[in-house]
Amino acid sequence: AQKITQTQPGMFVQEKEAVTLDCTYDTSDPSYGLFWYKQPSSGEMIFLIYQGSYDQQNATEGRYSLNFQKARKSANLVISASQLGDSAMYFCAMREKEDSNYQLIWGAGTKLIIKP
Amino acid sequence: ETGVTQTPRHLVMGMTNKKSLKCEQHLGHNAMYWYKQSAKKPLELMFVYSLEERVENNSVPSRFSPECPNSSHLFLHLHTLQPEDSALYLCASSQDIPGTAQETQYFGPGTRLLVL
Repeated sequence: AQKITQTQPGMFVQEKEAVTLDCTYDTSDPSYGLFWYKQPSSGEMIFLIYQGSYDQQNATEGRYSLNFQKARKSANLVISASQLGDSAMYFCAMREKEDSNYQLIWGAGTKLIIKP
Repeated sequence: ETGVTQTPRHLVMGMTNKKSLKCEQHLGHNAMYWYKQSAKKPLELMFVYSLEERVENNSVPSRFSPECPNSSHLFLHLHTLQPEDSALYLCASSQDIPGTAQETQYFGPGTRLLVL
């Protein structure tokens, strides 16, 4: 079974609208972390936001927020007031403990295109 | 220079060539990583170094040879590659190897490799 699932291979959104990118995960480890990264066409993987499994509040970073629903094992990224520069691939990743190390597991990504 | 830099940004090589990819991090981190990103596949972790010592090698073919002379520099030496090795190669660094769920990796812009 996939550990990280991003069900939307691609999305088109009108500029200035809010965007929700889906991510579900699967782990039996009580201590884990969830990350979102943005990858523009230039290739660089840009860290956006982090949510810890024990965090009581949803993480926020500027226009980015993480809708963390622990019981549903869901960690959706919300981008408010989308901009043309938000067009990119977005990856959800989870860090969980395997043996003695924390492994980072990546989703397949969602391609977001913002329309003017 | 800030963050994580990689050179070259683009590389075309024949199957009999020998080339090297270079990564440098300016963040004062102790851990560095090589990832391979192929089209339509999740990121694949190749190598992990902590304080210049290799701590993980995920069954990578021997035609890929990493080198970490110090905690700021990481190389990936390439020889007798195959066309299926064509991909984006990303370097990343983190403060330490993941001993917690929260350890965040910061990425360079990648090297786009084409093997003919």
